[in-house]
Amino acid sequence: QVQLVQSGAAVKKPGASVNISCKTSRDTFNNYHIHWLRQAPGQGLEWMGVVNPRGGGTSYAQKFQGRVIMTRDTSTSTLYMELSSLRSEDTAVYYCAREGLSGTWYGWFGPWGQGTLVTVSS
Amino acid sequence: DIVMTQSPGSMAVSLGERATITCKSSQSLLYSSNNKNYLAWYQQKSGQPPKLLIYWASTRESGVPDRFSGSGSGTDFTLTISSLQAEDVAVYFCQQHYFTPYTFGQGTTLEIK
Repeated sequence: QVQLVQSGAAVKKPGASVNISCKTSRDTFNNYHIHWLRQAPGQGLEWMGVVNPRGGGTSYAQKFQGRVIMTRDTSTSTLYMELSSLRSEDTAVYYCAREGLSGTWYGWFGPWGQGTLVTVSS
Repeated sequence: DIVMTQSPGSMAVSLGERATITCKSSQSLLYSSNNKNYLAWYQQKSGQPPKLLIYWASTRESGVPDRFSGSGSGTDFTLTISSLQAEDVAVYFCQQHYFTPYTFGQGTTLEIK
């Protein structure tokens, strides 16, 4: 069973940054793009961007350009998503999700991580 | 950005009956080069992450029961559950995977009548 395991919940003050990790298997890391999404409480889903773990290439939603950085650690098959200049509207559950097909990027999301709640509050 | 509009917002269906959810996109999701519609459906149960059901509008993900089916083309799509089971209580989302940023419908809450 494919597993993406995310880091635990975080509470941050406005203006701070949060860094969320997503640990995958070696097979997933080597063969699938990883997307990051979020879901505000009681709200819909929002795509933030995608990273190619093998080469590190990224593509971000324009809404998050300049505030988000997606990186990876090849030694541990772990992906990271850092969101900076946090505001209250960033309070949400953040997910990593594996691309549906290996080797390419079609933009649907197969297995998901369990989610990481980020609360932004003064 | 492509706007996805789902209807209804919520619905209650009796066990064993058919449930139908519609999704409309603000522009066509049909890619002429491969004649595929770039539309996916997800199921989200309370407290869980979404689960992929359907992609390319009508291709069922491996392991998804065949009572779930997707149809439609261009801008109008439908998710059908042919015979509702108790475990199908969830929120259902459509998502376009044609253009970034990928966007989702607002969700349809499905309950048992």
